Amino acid sequence: DVKVTQSSRYLVKRTGEKVFLECVQDMDHENMFWYRQDPGLGLRLIYFSYDVKMKEKGDIPEGYSVSREKKERFSLILESASTNQTSMYLCASSLSRASNQPQHFGDGTRLSIL
Amino acid sequence: QKEVEQNSGPLSVPEGAIASLNCTYSDRGSQSFFWYRQYSGKSPELIMSIYSNGDKEDGRFTAQLNKASQYVSLLIRDSQPSDSATYLCAVRSNAGNMLTFGGGTRLMVKP
Repeated sequence: DVKVTQSSRYLVKRTGEKVFLECVQDMDHENMFWYRQDPGLGLRLIYFSYDVKMKEKGDIPEGYSVSREKKERFSLILESASTNQTSMYLCASSLSRASNQPQHFGDGTRLSIL
Repeated sequence: QKEVEQNSGPLSVPEGAIASLNCTYSDRGSQSFFWYRQYSGKSPELIMSIYSNGDKEDGRFTAQLNKASQYVSLLIRDSQPSDSATYLCAVRSNAGNMLTFGGGTRLMVKP
């Protein structure tokens, strides 16, 4: 089974802090994704990556950056956290760029910015 | 703008009934279709994928795809209270590797 592990289930940070969310997958997947999910807004793609050191902006990249130094790890960075970044953050991975591959999600990190 | 539309619900069905969840999409180039189940406070879990027109069955779940009409549906037979969750429809076009998600349909199965 695919295992996508997010480092924290719950996280509380303060406004202005630099926040790191970590995601690791153990299935040698090429693609990794970061989403946030908010009530009434659904899942929104923040950033994704097809390969090591590659990154692409999703629908809502503002205020975020990412890092992929190793194939199995994809980090989401909130450069200066703000209260409107309070959300559930979901990491996902998929095998390759072939169109029939599903994404598999981690358990999510519920982030609160005070 | 590629869109995936779902009725937000809640869809309420009695235990043992068939639950029918529907999803329409706007991008005619879409090639792969997925249904995820998400329990409250949890992450989405893949339950079905479908790539060709017609029906695909897996246990109590049947996915149906009609590319000409641009809709995909999920049927849950013999619904159980444990099926109560939000069901997300996700669509991938042939042009990219990203999924576009619908807003989800909340299903409530009443004992």
